[in-house]
Amino acid sequence: NAGVTQTPKFRILKIGQSMTLQCTQDMNHNYMYWYRQDPGMGLKLIYYSVGAGITDKGEVPNGYNVSRSTTEDFPLRLELAAPSQTSVYFCATKPGGAPYEQYFGPGTRLTVT
Amino acid sequence: AQSVTQLGSHVSVSEGALVLLRCNYSSSVPPYLFWYVQYPNQGLQLLLKYTSAATLVKGINGFEAEFKKSETSFHLTKPSAHMSDAAEYFCAVKEAGTASKLTFGTGTRLQVTL
Repeated sequence: NAGVTQTPKFRILKIGQSMTLQCTQDMNHNYMYWYRQDPGMGLKLIYYSVGAGITDKGEVPNGYNVSRSTTEDFPLRLELAAPSQTSVYFCATKPGGAPYEQYFGPGTRLTVT
Repeated sequence: AQSVTQLGSHVSVSEGALVLLRCNYSSSVPPYLFWYVQYPNQGLQLLLKYTSAATLVKGINGFEAEFKKSETSFHLTKPSAHMSDAAEYFCAVKEAGTASKLTFGTGTRLQVTL
């Protein structure tokens, strides 16, 4: 099993450009999450999904969109990239119910200049 | 709402010395607590978790943590640090509700010196 995969690993965007960060899992987990990690700030939840067709906002959703058409995929869309979106983005998954730990992908490092 | 405070953004220990990373939580419900480790340029990996079964929890790589309800703490310890333990460590608490969201602390970077 590959677990949680994220592409790309690195990306540089210009201000105003758009892009999609891909997250795919092969563990058949219902729950998926997108976080951003900034130095000294820990991880902040952007969006999450409890199953295909169901998404909801987390703590810092502004400037982002998500969709969940399949169990496996949970792409994160950045529209009109801004320097404040420079960060490392992590996707995580969790099966339904207990246990409650989340399984993380390797991350995407995004720079907006 | 649940919250987590990690005291000390940087901790430096000598190889072979005790590692103590502090985590205090705030929770309106009996908490589920986690410690994750992040090695450079990698994702987060679960070290251990508290799910109310036992107050002393053993994890991978020789780490353990003790849940103390009276102190609302879940500190991470390892008796003898190894150079390979150098990483960033995050404490997290599960939020109430059905989405199993986690709230993370701001992290503690552990440096291990010779």
